[in-house]
Amino acid sequence: AQSVAQPEDQVNVAEGNPLTVKCTYSVSGNPYLFWYVQYPNRGLQFLLKYITGDNLVKGSYGFEAEFNKSQTSFHLKKPSALVSDSALYFCAVRDLFNDYKLSFGAGTTVTVRA
Amino acid sequence: KAGVTQTPRYLIKTRGQQVTLSCSPISGHRSVSWYQQTPGQGLQFLFEYFSETQRNKGNFPGRFSGRQFSNSRSEMNVSTLELGDSALYLCASSLAGTGGRGNTEAFFGQGTRLTVV
Repeated sequence: AQSVAQPEDQVNVAEGNPLTVKCTYSVSGNPYLFWYVQYPNRGLQFLLKYITGDNLVKGSYGFEAEFNKSQTSFHLKKPSALVSDSALYFCAVRDLFNDYKLSFGAGTTVTVRA
Repeated sequence: KAGVTQTPRYLIKTRGQQVTLSCSPISGHRSVSWYQQTPGQGLQFLFEYFSETQRNKGNFPGRFSGRQFSNSRSEMNVSTLELGDSALYLCASSLAGTGGRGNTEAFFGQGTRLTVV
């Protein structure tokens, strides 16, 4: 069975500091991994995905994520956080061996203070 | 091109009533998934439809049902509403499974905020 874990409910950082949101996964076969962001009372917005190839994936709004197969992790990063990055972040994995089911982590609330 | 459209955006219903929510996917997307989001339970998967067939199902009671039409539009229905059904209901569409694709992201609608009183 596939699963996604986001070990931190909340992450707090100061503006201009690096931001990291952690995600670990479990899936049979090759993982297709995604990050989404959600602002209050809105749907989820796609940030980036890892399919294959380079372990460092770049996405929207200056975010990037590092895939680590040995640690089964896919952490989201941003070198210099902005107050506007304050939102709820979800990691997700798609399982091709389970009818393409997309499973989400519990989400991490990021607060960037000015 | 147009994104995922969910209607209505807001809904207030009374306990015991039923409700139908609608989702129009991005053109060409045959996969439509539904999620329930609440502060306490996070994002919970309800079900997914692909080419009018339910492909995946979450752990929700039979009061929650859905269907998909030949144009890929989907509806979900909740019967005998309970206070605990108050939530943001999100719909997402994707190309997953079309031509064997798995490396494709899901696109979400703005959601329907259901309040049961």
